Amino acid sequence: EIVMTQSPATLSVSPGERATLSCRASQSVSSNLAWYQQKPGQAPRLLIYGASTRATGIPARFSGSGSGTEFTLTISSLQSEDFAVYYCQQYNNWPLTFGQGTKVEIK
Amino acid sequence: EVQLVESGGGLVQPGRSLRLSCAASGFTFDDYAMHWVRQAPGKGLEWVSGISWNSGSIGYADSVKGRFTISRDNAKNSLYLQMNSLRAEDTALYYCAKGPLGPTTVTSFDYWGQGTLVTVSS
Repeated sequence: EIVMTQSPATLSVSPGERATLSCRASQSVSSNLAWYQQKPGQAPRLLIYGASTRATGIPARFSGSGSGTEFTLTISSLQSEDFAVYYCQQYNNWPLTFGQGTKVEIK
Repeated sequence: EVQLVESGGGLVQPGRSLRLSCAASGFTFDDYAMHWVRQAPGKGLEWVSGISWNSGSIGYADSVKGRFTISRDNAKNSLYLQMNSLRAEDTALYYCAKGPLGPTTVTSFDYWGQGTLVTVSS
């Protein structure tokens, strides 16, 4: 099983600032990496797939990068609606696995 | 508009069974892989099982292998999860999730339902 490790667990950011979230895989997943956003009481929403491709309707302030074992999700200028939990997920091998999540909170 | 609506959750005793359903609409159901993903209260996401468009490829998490069975009925645009020998640690919100277009079952999830809650307790 590929273990996905996200850091930090919690990120405190002021509105308008940049947020950088990290995700590391225990072995290479190539570019088979997705990012999701989850707000309280809601289902997750796909933000990024293929490590760097924004899903339909996702604002340009969200960007993904990386390949192999190291990945980054960047939110260029945090809006109020961006405070949420973010998960990475690898889809290179079964079983599909998620990171434990990074909570982005208001500073 | 893609819609995924789960049903079948509830309170069940340890060792008993439950069958979840997911009704899909707004897309050509039999073109896509489908999955179940769960989230225990206050915890992260855990993939449970996935099935290819034609049921030819099926996968399970180790935590449910041998106890859960995924299936689909393309004529009814429906996905199912038969859960047997339920344990307290199976307590979670169970989401139905759609894979992107393509033959593989090893996918991301581009649409999610709102989930159905399964509580395993005596």
